[in-house]
Amino acid sequence: GENVEQHPSTLSVQEGDSAVIKCTYSDSASNYFPWYKQELGKGPQLIIDIRSNVGEKKDQRIAVTLNKTAKHFSLHITETQPEDSAVYFCAASSGTYKYIFGTGTRLKVLA
Amino acid sequence: NAGVTQTPKFQVLKTGQSMTLQCAQDMNHNSMYWYRQDPGMGLRLIYYSASEGTTDKGEVPNGYNVSRLNKREFSLRLESAAPSQTSVYFCASRRGGNLETQYFGPGTRLLVL
Repeated sequence: GENVEQHPSTLSVQEGDSAVIKCTYSDSASNYFPWYKQELGKGPQLIIDIRSNVGEKKDQRIAVTLNKTAKHFSLHITETQPEDSAVYFCAASSGTYKYIFGTGTRLKVLA
Repeated sequence: NAGVTQTPKFQVLKTGQSMTLQCAQDMNHNSMYWYRQDPGMGLRLIYYSASEGTTDKGEVPNGYNVSRLNKREFSLRLESAAPSQTSVYFCASRRGGNLETQYFGPGTRLLVL
């Protein structure tokens, strides 16, 4: 069935360093790839997304890249700050109503 | 705009009890969803409603029922709660089209003893 694998499950970085989270999807019909940030005790919030007709998208310190051939997409956070500490989820959708979520990455930014 | 709201925030049930989780959105979205979140398993879809008047099973529908009461409201019912249903439940609504995304509520933490 449809599946999204996300790695790593936990990631610790020093403040100011970069963080990279990677996802792989199985459904070749997937064409929309959002990333969500979930802070403790809250619901996931969209931070950036990318469509299959674009290879890279950037928003300030956050960027997402997509490799359709390899079915990989990644989240890049530069100049990390303590407030970036959270759980991050990737997801893939083929334009139907369903999103398939990865299992999440717990990011810790060490001051 | 309140976005997506959920009630209650926290609930403790005994095995066999029933309860309904409420969800409402004020963004005029057609599609709404119920997910459960368990440690190490991400977000798993329980049920979804593509539009008012329709509901469909997701990945883990057993033990749950849903009602799309109107365009705003989508409720999740546990008829006979089991300890395996201890989880955090999230409701979401979806904006389609070129600005596609899902918006999540704050969650309901459910403990079944």
